[in-house]
Amino acid sequence: GENVEQHPSTLSVQEGDSAVIKCTYSDSASNYFPWYKQELGKGPQLIIDIRSNVGEKKDQRIAVTLNKTAKHFSLHITETQPEDSAVYFCAASTGGSQGNLIFGKGTKLSVKP
Amino acid sequence: DAGVIQSPRHEVTEMGQEVTLRCKPISGHNSLFWYRQTMMRGLELLIYFNNNVPIDDSGMPEDRFSAKMPNASFSTLKIQPSEPRDSAVYFCASSYIGGGTEAFFGQGTRLTVV
Repeated sequence: GENVEQHPSTLSVQEGDSAVIKCTYSDSASNYFPWYKQELGKGPQLIIDIRSNVGEKKDQRIAVTLNKTAKHFSLHITETQPEDSAVYFCAASTGGSQGNLIFGKGTKLSVKP
Repeated sequence: DAGVIQSPRHEVTEMGQEVTLRCKPISGHNSLFWYRQTMMRGLELLIYFNNNVPIDDSGMPEDRFSAKMPNASFSTLKIQPSEPRDSAVYFCASSYIGGGTEAFFGQGTRLTVV
């Protein structure tokens, strides 16, 4: 089955710097790659997603890149702010369901003012 | 829409007792997912339903776990009997297959088995 590896497990940056989180997946049939943000005591919330027919997607300060050949995808957050501090999860899915997700172990991002 | 609603938010029970977690998906969504989150194993998919039918329950850890979806607006996850190692946060999520929508997660139920 699918396996998703995520690095780093913790990341600390200064406010205004960029943050990059990387994930690899094992199943070449995976075609949907979302990123979720989880704040303390809350459920994961989608921040951006990408499908296998696209190499890059951007939404304001957040961007995701996908390399299907190498089976890895990355989250890029620019101009980080203290409110970006949270745990971020990457995930992969095969088939048509956006909820049948295999998650990475998460990255705890801390943005220092 | 109020989003995915889970109850209770917190549950403390004694080992051996039956525990029932509840979920109300977003109206109009046709898929529902139960996840478990622990420090050691992260977020794990337990089971998912499509149009109220269980599609894949390969993530259900043991026969002590069962899930039902009697109608489009309600699902339960039951653990009987509960054990301390079942302590975790259980999330329910819903989405609409075919509509390209994301999976929306509820706030979770924190289960503690003592």
